Amino acid sequence: KAGVTQTPRYLIKTRGQQVTLSCSPISGHRSVSWYQQTPGQGLQFLFEYFSETQRNKGNFPGRFSGRQFSNSRSEMNVSTLELGDSALYLCASSFEGIRYGYTFGSGTRLTVV
Amino acid sequence: KNQVEQSPQSLIILEGKNCTLQCNYTVSPFSNLRWYKQDTGRGPVSLTIMTFSENTKSNGRYTATLDADTKQSSLHITASQLSDSASYICVVPIREVGNEKLTFGTGTRLTIIP
Repeated sequence: KAGVTQTPRYLIKTRGQQVTLSCSPISGHRSVSWYQQTPGQGLQFLFEYFSETQRNKGNFPGRFSGRQFSNSRSEMNVSTLELGDSALYLCASSFEGIRYGYTFGSGTRLTVV
Repeated sequence: KNQVEQSPQSLIILEGKNCTLQCNYTVSPFSNLRWYKQDTGRGPVSLTIMTFSENTKSNGRYTATLDADTKQSSLHITASQLSDSASYICVVPIREVGNEKLTFGTGTRLTIIP
């Protein structure tokens, strides 16, 4: 059974640009959630999508957005990149949602220069 | 304020020794608490989930305890191995009106030395 797949694995972007990250969940999982991990702030919850609808969200500005497709694959977009957006972005998938069991992908390492 | 705090921040022990990591939470209402292991550059991997009614749960050499009265959880690692070197993160879901999110502890960085 394939795990959670995130692409790309590494990304370098320039300040002011935008970026799109992709997450393919475990087959059959309906919930995809996104997280930002930095050395200073640790892991922080961005948002959760369930059956193509954003169901829960953390405390991030509107520059961070996402969407989920009918096959449960999800994308996260960050617009107007700032240096502080450099982080490991993780996604996790779950059959029921973030309150229950969820499996993380290996993440996308984003560097903003 | 809903918070999850972990201690110690880092820990170095000899291979074969035992250790205990702590997680204190001030989350209400409480539904469950999870422990994750994260190797450097990888995504976190679930070790165990503790619900309100559970006091102790084991997963191999990992044993988690939960005291819902004092809002404390611990993760005990027995007979440590070099592969246990990783960050251990405590996670608690927080329910708000119309929203639910996860709150993470800052983690404990565990290093096992031969």
